[in-house]
Amino acid sequence: SAVISQKPSRDICQRGTSLTIQCQVDSQVTMMFWYRQQPGQSLTLIATANQGSEATYESGFVIDKFPISRPNLTFSTLTVSNMSPEDSSIYLCSVLTGTNYGYTFGSGTRLTVV
Amino acid sequence: TQLLEQSPQFLSIQEGENLTVYCNSSSVFSSLQWYRQEPGEGPVLLVTVVTGGEVKKLKRLTFQFGDARKDSSLHITAAQTGDTGLYLCAGGGMDSNYQLIWGAGTKLIIKP
Repeated sequence: SAVISQKPSRDICQRGTSLTIQCQVDSQVTMMFWYRQQPGQSLTLIATANQGSEATYESGFVIDKFPISRPNLTFSTLTVSNMSPEDSSIYLCSVLTGTNYGYTFGSGTRLTVV
Repeated sequence: TQLLEQSPQFLSIQEGENLTVYCNSSSVFSSLQWYRQEPGEGPVLLVTVVTGGEVKKLKRLTFQFGDARKDSSLHITAAQTGDTGLYLCAGGGMDSNYQLIWGAGTKLIIKP
């Protein structure tokens, strides 16, 4: 299955600033997914990113707040813009493994906004 | 809207005991996946079940998909401290296998 390198692993940011999270996959994948997770809780899908097209956002998430880039089939970034303490969370990228519809996840970015 | 209810949300047991985690829904899923997540890491896929009534075993872990493909269970026999983690179930939608419906998660602590 694919291996995903996600960075940064954690960051503490001032409110009003932006943070860009990067995910690099060791193989070409069509779709990449960005999730948000409160520690110890379930996952919430933010958006689906396909190479060469606009990302598709889930209800409650907008492009101005979470712009996504997908310049090629192995890389994607998620930016958390104009951050507030409510954005404090774990952000995860993932890809389909290609077998049995399972997902492979990056190790996550733990974001704290102060 | 499809929902997947996972229970219990929290479980703390002694090493050597058995346990079962459940995921239930009123909706039919094309597949059901189980993940385990440890602190500071992303979820790791344990198994995918796709056929109603299917049973899969992974060492001391037994996964079952309900006959009607609306529910699933994870049974751990003789739990070990290494089983500690957050267990998540996720159902594949009938319209698209790419969109998953996630359970709320079960935080499992195995005490030595």
